[in-house]
Amino acid sequence: EDQVTQSPEALRLQEGESSSLNCSYTVSGLRGLFWYRQDPGKGPEFLFTLYSAGEEKEKERLKATLTKKESFLHITAPKPEDSATYLCAVLAGTALIFGKGTTLSVSS
Amino acid sequence: DGGITQSPKYLFRKEGQNVTLSCEQNLNHDAMYWYRQDPGQGLRLIYYSQIVNDFQKGDIAEGYSVSREKKESFPLTVTSAQKNPTAFYLCASSIVIGGANRDTQYFGPGTRLTVL
Repeated sequence: EDQVTQSPEALRLQEGESSSLNCSYTVSGLRGLFWYRQDPGKGPEFLFTLYSAGEEKEKERLKATLTKKESFLHITAPKPEDSATYLCAVLAGTALIFGKGTTLSVSS
Repeated sequence: DGGITQSPKYLFRKEGQNVTLSCEQNLNHDAMYWYRQDPGQGLRLIYYSQIVNDFQKGDIAEGYSVSREKKESFPLTVTSAQKNPTAFYLCASSIVIGGANRDTQYFGPGTRLTVL
């Protein structure tokens, strides 16, 4: 069965304290892995798409990496405005399979 | 501005009523999707459509219906057969093939449905 697991469920950081979020997956025939940011009461905002192991993408303080079994979202020197829930999803076939998300809180 | 719009933002339903959630996109995307989000759970797929006049059931289609008469529009009806409809509903769209971010789904702002 295709499955996506995100860890930790919640993460509290001090401003400037770098860390990583994990997304592990078991799918047959990965067509892409996607990271989204979701603020409370809003729709997910697209961050990155990764297609093959070894691929990396960066945007401001965020960097996403992909291996054959998992993806990491690295957050460098986070700020309070980075507080949100980060969602990981994989595409196998025609539909996305989502993890439950990691809720990040960054305090100043 | 290109994007996805959903209306209404909040919707209240009485027991036994059917309600329809609107989703419109002006991104010229081929595919459109409906998801349901409940606290502590990942997004779950209700229905999707890759071309006009065609759609497929997702993992939790029971109690829901859709139509795709126009490329831009993909309304979702929550019927009285859906026993637990209170949730946050998200519409998404994607380019099916080609491009640097092919298959990437872009989401609307969501509709929060509450059953009274």
